[in-house]
Amino acid sequence: NAGVTQTPKFRILKIGQSMTLQCTQDMNHNYMYWYRQDPGMGLKLIYYSVGAGITDKGEVPNGYNVSRSTTEDFPLRLELAAPSQTSVYFCASSYAGGRAKNIQYFGAGTRLSVL
Amino acid sequence: DQQVKQNSPSLSVQEGRISILNCDYTNSMFDYFLWYKKYPAEGPTFLISISSIKDKNEDGRFTVFLNKSAKHLSLHIVPSQPGDSAVYFCAASGATGNQFYFGTGTSLTVIP
Repeated sequence: NAGVTQTPKFRILKIGQSMTLQCTQDMNHNYMYWYRQDPGMGLKLIYYSVGAGITDKGEVPNGYNVSRSTTEDFPLRLELAAPSQTSVYFCASSYAGGRAKNIQYFGAGTRLSVL
Repeated sequence: DQQVKQNSPSLSVQEGRISILNCDYTNSMFDYFLWYKKYPAEGPTFLISISSIKDKNEDGRFTVFLNKSAKHLSLHIVPSQPGDSAVYFCAASGATGNQFYFGTGTSLTVIP
């Protein structure tokens, strides 16, 4: 019963490098989300997806890209890492539809430092 | 612009007493509210939610109250236990339910 799995748990990047944060869920949820949490702040939505092939921007999408080719996977891409992207990144998934409550299940997070 | 605010960064309560965590929001279109609990090095976990058609929802030791006119919600934990020590986030969403806005969190410490 894995739930939402994020890899890697930690990563240090140099300015200008690129990387992909991986997220996979095994609950057959249709919605998936990427958030970032800066120190002392709440979670800010970067991108979300309501199903395979459909993605949309959240509050803070600049500097990131996403894709959703399958129900299970929702990778987050950083193309040109900047120090401002130093943060903890959380992936989440939920089932939303009909009268179902939209309750998000979160992964354990990826701590990213850009130096 | 922070649409969901938790003005108390921290709260300390004696074991067995009531913990009251507060949350305010500015967007009158929000109609669904949730509380999440977060331990260090873990992702947030869902605790309790409330729809705007209700003013109270209870689940065991946890009760959420919603005051729509004041745009305020609160989480009551009774009785508080040491295992409740964590950071609590409130979150809100509007009619589409696609986007959630989170507060900055309140760190609760329950003293044995």
